[in-house]
Amino acid sequence: AQSVTQLGSHVSVSEGALVLLRCNYSSSVPPYLFWYVQYPNQGLQLLLKYTTGATLVKGINGFEAEFKKSETSFHLTKPSAHMSDAAEYFCAVTLTGTASKLTFGTGTRLQVTL
Amino acid sequence: DTAVSQTPKYLVTQMGNDKSIKCEQNLGHDTMYWYKQDSKKFLKIMFSYNNKELIINETVPNRFSPKSPDKAHLNLHINSLELGDSAVYFCASSPAGSRYEQYFGPGTRLTVT
Repeated sequence: AQSVTQLGSHVSVSEGALVLLRCNYSSSVPPYLFWYVQYPNQGLQLLLKYTTGATLVKGINGFEAEFKKSETSFHLTKPSAHMSDAAEYFCAVTLTGTASKLTFGTGTRLQVTL
Repeated sequence: DTAVSQTPKYLVTQMGNDKSIKCEQNLGHDTMYWYKQDSKKFLKIMFSYNNKELIINETVPNRFSPKSPDKAHLNLHINSLELGDSAVYFCASSPAGSRYEQYFGPGTRLTVT
């Protein structure tokens, strides 16, 4: 079975500062990994995904994540936070071959302050 | 213009009632899902349909019954509602070539009193 762990349920950064949201996964086979964002009172939106190939993946809104197999990690970063980035971020995993079934982490709320 | 839509957006009802939530997608996707998000924001898949066929059925009380009249619609019917059913229910869909790229609806907040 696969799982993801998001370290830190709440992260606060200043506007313009680096954003780092942590995600570690557990999987017995090569995983597909995702980051989704949920703005208040909205559904989830796909930020970026890793399936195969390049381990550094770029997504929307300036976010990127790097798949590190040795560390079983898929941390989300953005060089400079913007107020509009304030939202809940979810890491998710699915196994190759069972691509319908996403398993989500518990989410990290990102707060951006002036 | 809306890709995945759900109705209603809010649903307040009493214990023991039966209610339905409707979902429609206009993306031409062939797979649809229902997720439950609890008060701690934890998201868990409940069901998935592919071309009207049930392909994922997680451990969900049988009071919950999905119905897919066609591949653009997936409804969720809940019988004998309980307090613990209070949550936000999300519908999602994905295309045939990329089942992991799921597009979510805005959610239905169900409150059982």
